Amino acid sequence: NAGVMQNPRHLVRRRGQEARLRCSPMKGHSHVYWYRQLPEEGLKFMVYLQKENIIDESGMPKERFSAEFPKEGPSILRIQQVVRGDSAAYFCASSPPPQGGTKNIQYFGAGTRLSVL
Amino acid sequence: GNSVTQMEGPVTLSEEAFLTINCTYTATGYPSLFWYVQYPGEGLQLLLKATKADDKGSNKGFEATYRKETTSFHLEKGSVQVSDSAVYFCALDRGSTLGRLYFGRGTQLTVWP
Repeated sequence: NAGVMQNPRHLVRRRGQEARLRCSPMKGHSHVYWYRQLPEEGLKFMVYLQKENIIDESGMPKERFSAEFPKEGPSILRIQQVVRGDSAAYFCASSPPPQGGTKNIQYFGAGTRLSVL
Repeated sequence: GNSVTQMEGPVTLSEEAFLTINCTYTATGYPSLFWYVQYPGEGLQLLLKATKADDKGSNKGFEATYRKETTSFHLEKGSVQVSDSAVYFCALDRGSTLGRLYFGRGTQLTVWP
């Protein structure tokens, strides 16, 4: 069972370009989370999605950022018109549907490191 | 609100030394508590968890006890190894089976031979 797959691992963009980050959850997982890690900081929650639904987007910047998790295919985090302050590591996590005693165990991908020039 | 405060690093130890990384939290409701570890260039891996007061999570020689009276979840290991060098994150959730995690800033641990 492959883990959470994120690509690309590294992404370089110039200011004003668009960045698309992809996340394929673990097999059987229907819940996806995106977090951002700025240098020297912990992870900050951005958005929580189920298939075709945004459950919690309270951590998403109001402009330029969007996320989706379509019925088929990976989850996409999209950043339009990137600025230098968007440079960070973006991590995706997935979790299975709740069963029995499972308690919100999230499995993380290796992350996409975005550099904005 | 919900938040996690971790002791600031970096922490530098010699092999076989005793490790403590402090973590305190503020939460509404009955959160679950977690320690995650991040090795260089990798994503986070769950190290251990505790879902209710007085629970002790343990894994790979690491332990942490959920202390509701002191709102703490300190990470300990009796004898660290060079391979334990990593960044350690304390986290909590809202106590439901799904939903966002709240992370501390992370503590960098370096173990020298």
